[in-house]
Amino acid sequence: QVQLVESGGGVVQPGRSLRLSCAASGFTFSSYGMHWVRQAPGKGLAWVAVISYEGSTEYYADSVKGRFTISRDNSKNTLSLQMNSLRAEDTAVYYCAKETVPTAGFAFDIWGQGTMVTVSS
Amino acid sequence: EIVLTQSPATLSLSPGERATLSCRASQNIDNYLAWYQQKPGQAPRLLIYDTANRATGIPVRFSGSGSGADFTLTISSLEPDDFAIYYCQHKGQWPPGATFGPGTKVDIK
Repeated sequence: QVQLVESGGGVVQPGRSLRLSCAASGFTFSSYGMHWVRQAPGKGLAWVAVISYEGSTEYYADSVKGRFTISRDNSKNTLSLQMNSLRAEDTAVYYCAKETVPTAGFAFDIWGQGTMVTVSS
Repeated sequence: EIVLTQSPATLSLSPGERATLSCRASQNIDNYLAWYQQKPGQAPRLLIYDTANRATGIPVRFSGSGSGADFTLTISSLEPDDFAIYYCQHKGQWPPGATFGPGTKVDIK
């Protein structure tokens, strides 16, 4: 079945780095734009980053620009988020999400279960 | 940057009642508006995309409407499973980023 599975979350000290992964299955991964969305404890959803289906275009929320890098490996059906210079305010559940339509969708029809990132000394 | 505002913040209703949730954009976003349902400890679930299209497997009691900058999610008759938080979301062609509203919590009266 169509599925996204995140991994790589954990507890990390402020200023350190962490890399999240999202394994995709059940659909043609290379045809869809992919996103990371996060949710701080008790808060709403916040969009983080997007990468185009072929990997040529990336775009970031202002809050993570210059610190986070989104990437994808279409040969391995894997999406990644490299998070550097982490701050306490980056503490959240991180979800990967798939766009609804190949090459250019405007909503997210498949979400992973989320992986928790806690930034704390 | 487009900002989405949702109202009310909380909606207290009884099963069987009709729920009407509002989402307003800071500018015209055509029909690029989606709605999600989220329950505690779960990932969001897509309900409606492109303003009025139900996602796969979504019951007909959920409907979306609107245009321009004002949008509505209607649940015609609340089921016990519908008590949750609902978010609206916009993503345009460029920039390709997305925006979420702050959410409306539908709880049991």
